[in-house]
Amino acid sequence: EDQVTQSPEALRLQEGESSSLNCSYTVSGLRGLFWYRQDPGKGPEFLFTLYSAGEEKEKERLKATLTKKESFLHITAPKPEDSATYLCAVQAAGNTPLVFGKGTRLSVIA
Amino acid sequence: ETGVTQSPTHLIKTRGQQVTLRCSSQSGHNTVSWYQQALGQGPQFIFQYYREEENGRGNFPPRFSGLQFPNYSSELNVNALELDDSALYLCASSLYGSYEQYFGPGTRLTVT
Repeated sequence: EDQVTQSPEALRLQEGESSSLNCSYTVSGLRGLFWYRQDPGKGPEFLFTLYSAGEEKEKERLKATLTKKESFLHITAPKPEDSATYLCAVQAAGNTPLVFGKGTRLSVIA
Repeated sequence: ETGVTQSPTHLIKTRGQQVTLRCSSQSGHNTVSWYQQALGQGPQFIFQYYREEENGRGNFPPRFSGLQFPNYSSELNVNALELDDSALYLCASSLYGSYEQYFGPGTRLTVT
């Protein structure tokens, strides 16, 4: 069974304090790993898709990396507006549904 | 380009009632997936519709059903509501076979 585990559950950072969020996954034939940002009471907002180990993608203060067992979302010099829940999801080979982790709730304090 | 829209935003129902939630997919997208997100959890896949037919289903009972219309919009119907059905219901649209799904803002359903 495909599984996604995210850690930590919650993270509190000072503005400018860089850190990383972890997404460990078990999937039979990875088709893609996805990162989403979700604000309270809103739908997830697409951030990145990673397809193969060694791949990296960047967007503003965020960088996502992928290995064969996990993905990291690195946040460099975060700002209060980066506060949100970050969700990781995987999709196995074939037209299978996304399997999500429970998310990491990030708070950035000014 | 129009994003994914959902209606209503919030809904309060009584246990045993029936509810219909609606979703309009992003322009050009032909596939709609529905997810249930309980508080503090990640979204859980309910089912997917493509070409007006169910094209994959998660671990949800038959009282969860859906429709897709020729314009690719979709409905989620839940019969015999239970307290545990209280959640944020999310609709995501995509092109069939594409990697990326784009989510709507969700409908918050409260069952009392």
